[in-house]
Amino acid sequence: DGGITQSPKYLFRKEGQNVTLSCEQNLNHDAMYWYRQDPGQGLRLIYYSQIVNDFQKGDIAEGYSVSREKKESFPLTVTSAQKNPTAFYLCASAKGDGRLYGGYTFGSGTRLTVV
Amino acid sequence: DQQVKQNSPSLSVQEGRISILNCDYTNSMFDYFLWYKKYPAEGPTFLISISSIKDKNEDGRFTVFLNKSAKHLSLHIVPSQPGDSAVYFCAARGAVGGGKLIFGQGTELSVKP
Repeated sequence: DGGITQSPKYLFRKEGQNVTLSCEQNLNHDAMYWYRQDPGQGLRLIYYSQIVNDFQKGDIAEGYSVSREKKESFPLTVTSAQKNPTAFYLCASAKGDGRLYGGYTFGSGTRLTVV
Repeated sequence: DQQVKQNSPSLSVQEGRISILNCDYTNSMFDYFLWYKKYPAEGPTFLISISSIKDKNEDGRFTVFLNKSAKHLSLHIVPSQPGDSAVYFCAARGAVGGGKLIFGQGTELSVKP
């Protein structure tokens, strides 16, 4: 079955640590996205990538980094520079540049908590 | 600046009645709108969409209406069922910008039996 997988489902980070969230898709989608969900604020775009080896900052990129070395994979690193990292992180993918109708396919999310 | 707004954080409806979820946007360059449904601790799932060249799209119990002059869209669910209880996000896509979606804050729908 094709889909998009995020791991781990729950992640605990100590202050000052970097952590990496995994996102893998086997849908052959070109575009991939990272969103953050906070209560009452909806989904905010962190980074996105339309092709391999290229990515752009979203609205809240500070304190995060990404890479897109393979079409299937778009890992997100939450660095120690991110002041409020506790949130629910969602990865998504889409065909082409997203102009084809149907929207995104989302992963099941990673809950990151700073302890 | 919130380009896509869902001003009602929650909505409670009786089973069998109509649920109406609303969404407003500010950017007239948005050309495509979508609704997603989300259960706790899961990723959103695509529900229904509408192009800016249309004013209505229907899929079973779900209908989305678009009023471009008012920059407003709504999702109607008829009849509402308890399984519809979830958070609903509207999203909009610009004609430029790599296909990225801008999401509203979400509305939590509760359908009471």
